[in-house]
Amino acid sequence: DVKVTQSSRYLVKRTGEKVFLECVQDMDHENMFWYRQDPGLGLRLIYFSYDVKMKEKGDIPEGYSVSREKKERFSLILESASTNQTSMYLCANSGRGTETQYFGPGTRLLVL
Amino acid sequence: EDQVTQSPEALRLQEGESSSLNCSYTVSGLRGLFWYRQDPGKGPEFLFTLYSAGEEKEKERLKATLTKKESFLHITAPKPEDSATYLCAGVYNQGGKLIFGQGTELSVKP
Repeated sequence: DVKVTQSSRYLVKRTGEKVFLECVQDMDHENMFWYRQDPGLGLRLIYFSYDVKMKEKGDIPEGYSVSREKKERFSLILESASTNQTSMYLCANSGRGTETQYFGPGTRLLVL
Repeated sequence: EDQVTQSPEALRLQEGESSSLNCSYTVSGLRGLFWYRQDPGKGPEFLFTLYSAGEEKEKERLKATLTKKESFLHITAPKPEDSATYLCAGVYNQGGKLIFGQGTELSVKP
């Protein structure tokens, strides 16, 4: 089975803190994605990566950065957390040349 | 701009009452249409991929179909455990990003 794990299910941080969200997949998939999901706005793509050390901006990259040092690991970084970054964060992955994405369990982040 | 739109936003059914969820999409350039199930507080779970008009896929009480301009998720004799939000998504370039609809929240009462 495809397994995607995220470092935390729930996280509470203070405004201005640097936040790291980590995603690990064990399927040897090349493509990895970070989304955020908000009521009424659906899933929105933040960043994605097609290979190690590669990254591309999605639809809403402002206030975020990413790191992909190893194939199986894709990290989302909130440089200086703000209250409008309170959301559910979802990591996904897919194989090279395929479109089916498999999602992790999500991290619910609250920024106070 | 490529778009995916789902209807209705919410659907309440009695156990055993069959119905359909709709997903309409920007036609030009669609490479694939996906259906996911999402339970509260969890990540989306992959259900089906459809690639061409006329294609159908089935899994238990669910059947997904694709026409030239929309997709349907048919639910036959639903049970309370089918209650979830169902998401539809389209992909418009190879290996590219999914564009999600807003989802349909399905509630099945016993």
